[in-house]
Amino acid sequence: EVQLVESGGGLVQPGGSLRLSCAASGFTVSSNFMSWVRQAPGKGLEWVSVIYTAGNTYYADSVKGRFTISRDDSKNTVYLQMHSLRAEDTAVYYCARYSGSNFGRFDPWGQGTLVTVSS
Amino acid sequence: SSEVTQDPAVSVALGQTVRITCQGDSLRTYYASWYLQKPGQAPVLVMYGENNRPSGIPGRFSGSRSGNTASLTITGAQAEDEADYYCNSRDSSGNHVIFGGGTKLTVL
Repeated sequence: EVQLVESGGGLVQPGGSLRLSCAASGFTVSSNFMSWVRQAPGKGLEWVSVIYTAGNTYYADSVKGRFTISRDDSKNTVYLQMHSLRAEDTAVYYCARYSGSNFGRFDPWGQGTLVTVSS
Repeated sequence: SSEVTQDPAVSVALGQTVRITCQGDSLRTYYASWYLQKPGQAPVLVMYGENNRPSGIPGRFSGSRSGNTASLTITGAQAEDEADYYCNSRDSSGNHVIFGGGTKLTVL
């Protein structure tokens, strides 16, 4: 079964750091494009970042320079390292496999992990 | 960056047909993908590309595109279709992804 399980969320103070993990099963992350998408409380979906099979990465303007996406092929896991966190980064963070191509679909999605930035 | 827009809310009578739209310049180049999300749950892919349904998605869901507008049509809406629906596309650079603001579908 293809599955993604996120972990690492929690409460962090403004300016702090946090690292999210996304463990994949049923497929290999190194052979797929992987992405993070977030959803602030009561709001819509916002794309955060993508890592392609070649290792190149892209970020939303709102997180560029503060967040870093990476993967560990030996653990079949994708990470999102977050620095200089702000209140507006508070959201459920979802990991998803991304297709690229001419329709850019996300499937499957993990269950999400909640990040709360507050003092 | 470009953007795609959705109507915030749409309603449909049980058993009737409803179309949810997603509009943006990037849709002239790229197809949309569609997701439904129920409260407290992760999004689920329901449509992608020109008109492709993932396995397990009922045949009452269909997709289309015309110009800069992508549409998700539910023919014979059921109570369980009540959810938030999101579209996404690649932006004009191709390197970023954009989501619509979501459409809340109410089945009356």
